[in-house]
Amino acid sequence: DTGVSQNPRHKITKRGQNVTFRCDPISEHNRLYWYRQTLGQGPEFLTYFQNEAQLEKSRLLSDRFSAERPKGSFSTLEIQRTEQGDSAMYLCASSLQTGAYGYTFGSGTRLTVV
Amino acid sequence: AQSVTQLGSHVSVSEGALVLLRCNYSSSVPPYLFWYVQYPNQGLQLLLKYTSAATLVKGINGFEAEFKKSETSFHLTKPSAHMSDAAEYFCAVSQDDKIIFGKGTRLHILP
Repeated sequence: DTGVSQNPRHKITKRGQNVTFRCDPISEHNRLYWYRQTLGQGPEFLTYFQNEAQLEKSRLLSDRFSAERPKGSFSTLEIQRTEQGDSAMYLCASSLQTGAYGYTFGSGTRLTVV
Repeated sequence: AQSVTQLGSHVSVSEGALVLLRCNYSSSVPPYLFWYVQYPNQGLQLLLKYTSAATLVKGINGFEAEFKKSETSFHLTKPSAHMSDAAEYFCAVSQDDKIIFGKGTRLHILP
């Protein structure tokens, strides 16, 4: 058990570019969550998966955002046509059962849009 | 919808003093409640969680929290602060299959 792994740790991109982040959950965990955290705020829920099925998406997840978990293992979060407002820490978490019992978080990917 | 309110975005205590971070939840049904800690540029680490088994919950690093239904509170305490406790602390509540976080309280430890 190596924990939840997120790559890259940091990403600097120019406005208008596309970026993709990867999350590898704990291997036996079937639920995977994405959150966004801006400076001075708590994590805000974006979306989650049970195995490969995306079960819920927040209204924060605009059309420029897409998340996948194709084989029920790792997940990717893509942001198209990045905007400066997308600058944030993107956190991934996983859980064995319902997330209501608590998650294990990765270290996050910090995105800076310049 | 579930929510939590953390009182005080910044709290400063002297090293060795009592730490008290306040959290109130909004729900008529006791949910699962959590405290997470976040160190700079890191993800969140679970300190403790309340799952209705006991109202006083002990966590890691000497922290504990008491669930008080009558006050809808779940305050986090530690008897004696250490410099290494300086971090951001988040109270959180379960909702359906996920967790909703408060805005956080940054704890400063004064030497």
